[in-house]
Amino acid sequence: EIVLTQSPGTLSLSPGERATLSCRASQSVSNSYLAWYQQKPGQAPRLLIYGASSRATGIPDRFSGSGSGTDFTLTISRLEPEDFAVYYCQQYGSSPFTFGPGTKVDIK
Amino acid sequence: EVQVVESGGGLVKPGGSLRLSCAASGFTFSIYNMNWVRQAPGRGLEWVSSISSSSSYIYYADSVKGRFTISRDNAKNSLYLQMNSLRAEDTAVYYCARGGTAMVFYMDVWGKGTAVTASS
Repeated sequence: EIVLTQSPGTLSLSPGERATLSCRASQSVSNSYLAWYQQKPGQAPRLLIYGASSRATGIPDRFSGSGSGTDFTLTISRLEPEDFAVYYCQQYGSSPFTFGPGTKVDIK
Repeated sequence: EVQVVESGGGLVKPGGSLRLSCAASGFTFSIYNMNWVRQAPGRGLEWVSSISSSSSYIYYADSVKGRFTISRDNAKNSLYLQMNSLRAEDTAVYYCARGGTAMVFYMDVWGKGTAVTASS
């Protein structure tokens, strides 16, 4: 089983700042099958990035993903008020298709 | 509008059974893989099970293997999760989520979820 570790656990930033979230896998994620999701309280998750770097439909270009192998990054170039949420990474390269524990981005 | 809508959640005693359903609309259901994901109160997301478009490939988390069964009916545009031998730790909101095509299992369309509580 691939274990995903996300860091930091919480990121406290101000609107307009840049956010860099890390997702590290315990073994290589095949085909870079790594996705990022955003979840706000009381809502279902929303797909942001798939295939490590491809933006999902309708996702603003301030969200970008990078990485391969075991190290992946989600970058939010300039935080908007609606971006404060919890972010999860998920690998779907091999079953079980595990999620990371999440990074909470909150307002400083 | 592309959407999936879960139903079938509720309160069940430990050891009991429940069957969740997910109705899909607005897209060609038969070509997409489908997934179940759950979230216990105050916790993160936990992948539960996935099924390929033609039901040829089925995957389960170890935590539910042997107790839960995923299935689909492409003629009815529906996904199911049969949950048996429920435990307190199965208490969660269960989300149905559309996967990709081919053998790709990211999740791009999510329902609002249905709550399952296993408690005496």
